Amino acid sequence: DGGITQSPKYLFRKEGQNVTLSCEQNLNHDAMYWYRQDPGQGLRLIYYSQIVNDFQKGDIAEGYSVSREKKESFPLTVTSAQKNPTAFYLCASSPFGAAFYNSPLHFGNGTRLTVT
Amino acid sequence: GQQVMQIPQYQHVQEGEDFTTYCNSSTTLSNIQWYKQRPGGHPVFLIQLVKSGEVKKQKRLTFQFGEAKKNSSLHITATQTTDVGTYFCGGSGGSNYKLTFGKGTLLTVNP
Repeated sequence: DGGITQSPKYLFRKEGQNVTLSCEQNLNHDAMYWYRQDPGQGLRLIYYSQIVNDFQKGDIAEGYSVSREKKESFPLTVTSAQKNPTAFYLCASSPFGAAFYNSPLHFGNGTRLTVT
Repeated sequence: GQQVMQIPQYQHVQEGEDFTTYCNSSTTLSNIQWYKQRPGGHPVFLIQLVKSGEVKKQKRLTFQFGEAKKNSSLHITATQTTDVGTYFCGGSGGSNYKLTFGKGTLLTVNP
C-alpha cells in the first residue's frame, strides 16, 4: 500500500539535543511538507519542498532544518534553538506543488516529540 | 498575511443532532479544503471546493463555499458517534498558494 511513514511514533529527548524526525513516502508525490500541531493551535507549516534539492521556510521555521536529497524522503531536524519543541509533528505530501495544482495533502501518522 | 478563522472551537452534541462548523478568511481564497482528524490520528482529506457558491455533499456531510470565496461551512446532519473528531479547514489564495489552516472544531457526540 502506498503511504507516508513517520517514525518513530513517540520520541523523547533531553533539552539541548538535536533530534531528527523521519518521513518517507512511496506515493511518488513531488511535494512534501512538515506541520506542527499544538493543542488548540491547528496545523502550522514549518517547511515545505516542491522538488528534490529545494525547500522553503513555512510560517514557523525558526529552530528547524530540513533536507530533500531524495524524492521519497524529507527529514526534519528539531534543533536546540527551537524554544518549545514539544509537539505533535505531521509530515504530508501532495502530488504536485500546491502553487499550481492546489492538490490535497496526504498526512503521515505523526511523531509526538517530548523534550524535557 | 492570510488568516483563517474557524468557529466554534468545540461543539458537543447528542447523537442525532446536527452540527456545523464555519471558516472565515481574511482574504479571497482560490480554494478551500476540509480535513477530519480522529482522536489520536492524523488529518484525512475530505473535500476541496474551488467555485464561488459551490455546494458538495458526501452522505450526511454538506460543504459550502461562499459567493465571495471568503467563507465556508461544513454541516453534518444527524450526527453519529463515528463523526467524533476535529474538523479543519485549510484555504489558499492569491499569490500565497500555501494552505493556511483554521484551528479546527473538536466535535464530541454523546450516544
